[in-house]
Amino acid sequence: NAGVTQTPKFRILKIGQSMTLQCTQDMNHNYMYWYRQDPGMGLKLIYYSVGAGITDKGEVPNGYNVSRSTTEDFPLRLELAAPSQTSVYFCASSYRERNEQYFGPGTRLTVT
Amino acid sequence: QKEVEQNSGPLSVPEGAIASLNCTYSDRVSQSFFWYRQYSGKSPELIMSIYSNGDKEDGRFTAQLNKASQYVSLLIRDSQPSDSATYLCAVSTSSNDYKLSFGAGTTVTVRA
Repeated sequence: NAGVTQTPKFRILKIGQSMTLQCTQDMNHNYMYWYRQDPGMGLKLIYYSVGAGITDKGEVPNGYNVSRSTTEDFPLRLELAAPSQTSVYFCASSYRERNEQYFGPGTRLTVT
Repeated sequence: QKEVEQNSGPLSVPEGAIASLNCTYSDRVSQSFFWYRQYSGKSPELIMSIYSNGDKEDGRFTAQLNKASQYVSLLIRDSQPSDSATYLCAVSTSSNDYKLSFGAGTTVTVRA
């Protein structure tokens, strides 16, 4: 099992550009999450999904969008990138019952 | 009051000593508790989960949970330089629909 995979690993965007961060898991987990982590800060939940076709906002959803068309994939879309979105983005997944979340390797995004 | 608070670091311990990390949480109905280890530039890695009061041991790691005091801790025995990392406390409540709240982390440095 590859677990949770994310692409790209690094990306530099100009202000106003858009991009999609990809996340795929092969553990057949129903629950998937997107977090951002700023230096010295904890993880902030952006969006989450409890199954294909179902998504919901977390603490910091503004400026982001998600979709969940399959169990495996949970892409995060940034529209009109802003410097405040410079961060490291982690995707995670879990079984519903135990909620032990397993993280992907992350995407380091810089918006200039 | 933050949902999850960890003792501020950094924490420096000599090799072979016990490192003690503390975490308090604000929601009395919290049900699931996790400790993640995060090396610099890497993603969080689950090292311990605990669901009921008392101690849980896994190798050199011991998690301790006291729901009455809303307190969870992590002990690292016989600390090794490879234990140098940031440790994140995460808490889940049923009212959060299985989402996790993370503390800001405690950075541990093990001196050789």
